[in-house]
Amino acid sequence: EPEVTQTPSHQVTQMGQEVILRCVPISNHLYFYWYRQILGQKVEFLVSFYNNEISEKSEIFDDQFSVERPDGSNFTLKIRSTKLEDSAMYFCASSEVGQTTYEQYFGPGTRLTVT
Amino acid sequence: QKEVEQNSGPLSVPEGAIASLNCTYSDRGSQSFFWYRQYSGKSPELIMFIYSNGDKEDGRFTAQLNKASQYVSLLIRDSQPSDSATYLCAVNEERPQLLGMNRDDKIIFGKGTRLHILP
Repeated sequence: EPEVTQTPSHQVTQMGQEVILRCVPISNHLYFYWYRQILGQKVEFLVSFYNNEISEKSEIFDDQFSVERPDGSNFTLKIRSTKLEDSAMYFCASSEVGQTTYEQYFGPGTRLTVT
Repeated sequence: QKEVEQNSGPLSVPEGAIASLNCTYSDRGSQSFFWYRQYSGKSPELIMFIYSNGDKEDGRFTAQLNKASQYVSLLIRDSQPSDSATYLCAVNEERPQLLGMNRDDKIIFGKGTRLHILP
């Protein structure tokens, strides 16, 4: 069964450093998302992406964040200058192009630790 | 601010019994409703989705939706120890500037209900 994959599984970085989190969505999916989950808290929407542009972004997704689809398979989230409060699990999700289906499937996540 | 509310639990259910998980949401425009299961340290796994009022059954799982009451529930029959997890209710947030449900609507998650199946 096709799955969303994410790399790395765990990233440790120092405050102020740039990180890039990578995702490979399910191959026939064209809608992509990033969510994050701070330890013990709920899953929060960051950004949605379709047709090579951002569809919607949350208040969390400020100028320090950017997304890119550099090729036909990868979808990346970049944090330019990490802060301690960016420490969280980051989940990539994707959904297919269907007439009536809206289900989003999540990858295994990247645990980001900012020290 | 659109909200999805769930009882945090833990909800303890004997093995073999029916587990009932409930969720309410604030956005009357929501049209798509999802239940995800999340094991500790893992990602959310989609187990059920429902778009129309009424019941939807899939194996041991039944999702129930009542849009008038803004209420969605998940029933798990014949509960197994492997069902012990946190169950996340999620609801799409319709963007008012676009008509109807949009394919890339974000989904709003509740905090989840911890379910513990007692062997």
